[in-house]
Amino acid sequence: AQSVTQPDIHITVSEGASLELRCNYSYGATPYLFWYVQSPGQGLQLLLKYFSGDTLVQGIKGFEAEFKRSQSSFNLRKPSVHWSDAAEYFCAVGAWNQGGKLIFGQGTELSVKP
Amino acid sequence: GAVVSQHPSRVICKSGTSVKIECRSLDFQATTMFWYRQFPKQSLMLMATSNEGSKATYEQGVEKDKFLINHASLTLSTLTVTSAHPEDSSFYICSAPGGSSAPNYGYTFGSGTRLTVV
Repeated sequence: AQSVTQPDIHITVSEGASLELRCNYSYGATPYLFWYVQSPGQGLQLLLKYFSGDTLVQGIKGFEAEFKRSQSSFNLRKPSVHWSDAAEYFCAVGAWNQGGKLIFGQGTELSVKP
Repeated sequence: GAVVSQHPSRVICKSGTSVKIECRSLDFQATTMFWYRQFPKQSLMLMATSNEGSKATYEQGVEKDKFLINHASLTLSTLTVTSAHPEDSSFYICSAPGGSSAPNYGYTFGSGTRLTVV
């Protein structure tokens, strides 16, 4: 069955430090992968997505993610975190063989220390 | 850009009453709408998929008689929580694939509805 795992429930980084949020997926076909960010009480904002092609994907707000098929991973990175990046981050895979629904990971809460 | 307008953003209702949540695609046609539920500090769980002109498809464990979904037009999908109880209190989010500014296989999310049943 398709699934998405975000191993880290909560991560705290210092402002200006680099960030990597992990995401592993299980999917039988070529995955469509997404990273979303959610502020408290808000909807989801798309950071970036991978469909095909270059495995290093650039997104908004200085985020990037790298698709590694051999590791079934799609980790999100940012070289220098800003205090405004504190939020909940969700990795998701598009299950195109199940009507196109998105399957979400458990989410990683990011806290940023001054 | 592609926008899905979700209303209300916040609603408080009494136990036993029904609440309707609307999601409208503003500049594109949403033939499909996904409805998610999110408990505090948890991930989004798909409840059902609505398709314009046909019955909704519910995920396992979701009561179709309690969560009524209607996809009346290509721009409107509604979720009605019937006979609401406190355990139905949650954050409900809709999402439509596609959109005028989204390439194929993109999704546009509504801003969510915080339902509190007292």
